Amino acid sequence: QVQLQESGPGLVKPSETLSLTCAVSGFSISSGFYWGWIRQPPGKGLEWIGSIYHSGNTFYNSSLKSRVAISVDTSKNQFSLNLTSVTAADTAIYYCARHSKVRNADYWGQGTLVTASS
Amino acid sequence: QSALTQPPSASGSPGQSVTISCTGTSSDVGAYNYVSWYQQHPGKAPKLLIYEVNKRPSGVPDRFSGSKSGNTASLTVSGLQAEDEADYYCSSYAGSNNFGVFGGGTKLTVL
Repeated sequence: QVQLQESGPGLVKPSETLSLTCAVSGFSISSGFYWGWIRQPPGKGLEWIGSIYHSGNTFYNSSLKSRVAISVDTSKNQFSLNLTSVTAADTAIYYCARHSKVRNADYWGQGTLVTASS
Repeated sequence: QSALTQPPSASGSPGQSVTISCTGTSSDVGAYNYVSWYQQHPGKAPKLLIYEVNKRPSGVPDRFSGSKSGNTASLTVSGLQAEDEADYYCSSYAGSNNFGVFGGGTKLTVL
């Protein structure tokens, strides 16, 4: 059974960098698929942030591209998200997920709430 | 890239059918047969219900079905059950140069 688990600080100060890691079990990232991040502000809808292919190729939502970096560590079977210069608008539940090339996300982490506040 | 348009709410009584629409453009929903639907219960992660317009992952009841006409995709829930009360989101692939987009979500209430 494929499982994903997000981890990282739940509180980030404005202007600082949000860093999250997604640990994958039950499936090797090196075997394929895309590994992505999606966020959901409290009480609002879903937004794609970006993804990384097992080869290391990255794909970012154009609205966040200048602030986002996603990396993969195949030796640890995990991938990470860095979002720089955060503001209150970045407060959201952050989910990691496995998805296909055409964005079908079939496995999701439970999500982690990150609050941008001083 | 604009979000797909969904009605904010829908409702039906147990046993009835309800259909939720998802309207995009000729660059996303209308261009590709890659529409997905997700179900999200409060406090839970989204769950993939439908992919590639009308395919169901293993374990998803056949009460859930999807379709598409032009720039609008639809999710139909037949034989409504209390546990179907949740938020539903559509999503569409929009080509290799665009990341893809979600709808704003529809809250389904089982009366």
